[in-house]
Order: sequence, then C-alpha cells, then structure tokens
Amino acid sequence: GAVVSQHPSWVICKSGTSVKIECRSLDFQATTMFWYRQFPKQSLMLMATSNEGSKATYEQGVEKDKFLINHASLTLSTLTVTSAHPEDSSFYICSARRQAMNTEAFFGQGTRLTVV
Amino acid sequence: SQQGEEDPQALSIQEGENATMNCSYKTSINNLQWYRQNSGRGLVHLILIRSNEREKHSGRLRVTLDTSKKSSSLLITASRAADTASYFCATASGSARQLTFGSGTQLTVLP
Repeated sequence: GAVVSQHPSWVICKSGTSVKIECRSLDFQATTMFWYRQFPKQSLMLMATSNEGSKATYEQGVEKDKFLINHASLTLSTLTVTSAHPEDSSFYICSARRQAMNTEAFFGQGTRLTVV
Repeated sequence: SQQGEEDPQALSIQEGENATMNCSYKTSINNLQWYRQNSGRGLVHLILIRSNEREKHSGRLRVTLDTSKKSSSLLITASRAADTASYFCATASGSARQLTFGSGTQLTVLP
C-alpha cells in the first residue's frame, strides 16, 4: 500500500482562490517532507522542504507567501496555494524519506491543479 | 534546481528489446536513485546505488555508476509494454535529504 498519501489528486479552482493540498506519511514519522512542482513533460523541481515544528525552507525563486507550507505533525504536511492564478496550474508532488542515509524517497500520488 | 541531464530525452523500442538510459550529474553524491513515473502519477522508486558501488541488479533492471565520470545508466532488459513510463535519476548529496532529479527519459515500449 501507499507509504505517502496525497490529497486531492486533482482540483480545479477559480483565479484568486486558495487551494490546500495535504501530504500524509502513513508508514513512518517524517520530520522532513518535500514539495515538488512538475510541468508537462518536465522533471520535478523542488519548491520547498517542509520541517516539522519549524518554518519551511524554500528554494530560490519560490514565493513563500504564495506557497504556504505547514508541517504541524510528524505525519502531515500541507501546501496551500494562495490567490491562485492560471500560471500556478501544474502538477504538485510531495515526498518523504526516512532519517537514515541511503534511503529511498516515497512519493504521493500527486495533485493536478488547474486554475481557471 | 536540476542537477543532471538524462539522455535520451525519449526512447521508443519494441517489446522484448533492451532499453538503456543514461544520467549525468555534477557534484559528489552519497547515492544515486532511479525512479519511474507513469503519466500523471507520483514517482515509484526502482533502485538505489551507493557511491561506493559500481553495479546493481534488481529483476530486469541493471544500474551502473561511474563516479569518476559522474554518470549512471539504467538498463531494462526484455522490455514490456507496461514499462512505458518516464524514468528519472535522482541524486542525494552530503547532509541534504532532498533529492535532485535529472531531466528524465520518456520510454515507450511498443507491443
């Protein structure tokens, strides 16, 4: 079964509204989770690292006020796209890795966001 | 940001043939991993090779790693139509826990 669960799998929203995406680690406690964005036929681009109990670390060029990340528990991280615009339409994927080195990452199913 | 490049960008083969994908990266690594992504879905881990390993096998998958050339290859033998997907390499470096992904190869296996 899934180790990381992401919800919703798709969402359509109107411009100006906010959308929340949830990412749950089902099999282990994840002090750190990762949020990626993927455009069609492109690779995954890391947006931010979500840290349990502290502020997220954002990659260069990612607006922290637009992409709000909350990691309130060891099993749940949320990404909220605020005041969404059509250019925010994309595929968002979260992942989690166990603490030990040389471990694989587990990915959520992804969320297809369409802003109309 | 993306660290590595993969080639080819796209590969189309007949069922039963072997598929080889290559990945290059830029910095020193702890390990290199290969993932598969079906269209519109999340990524699934295929295989991990550590920096002190040169070759690893898992079923029909064979991965090589050449740290002197900063490159890796993924070989899928006896391909099946169900192998059709995008394949990504990803590297883990230093103390950072995030993975850095290559540009990906879109594999199409024709029945």
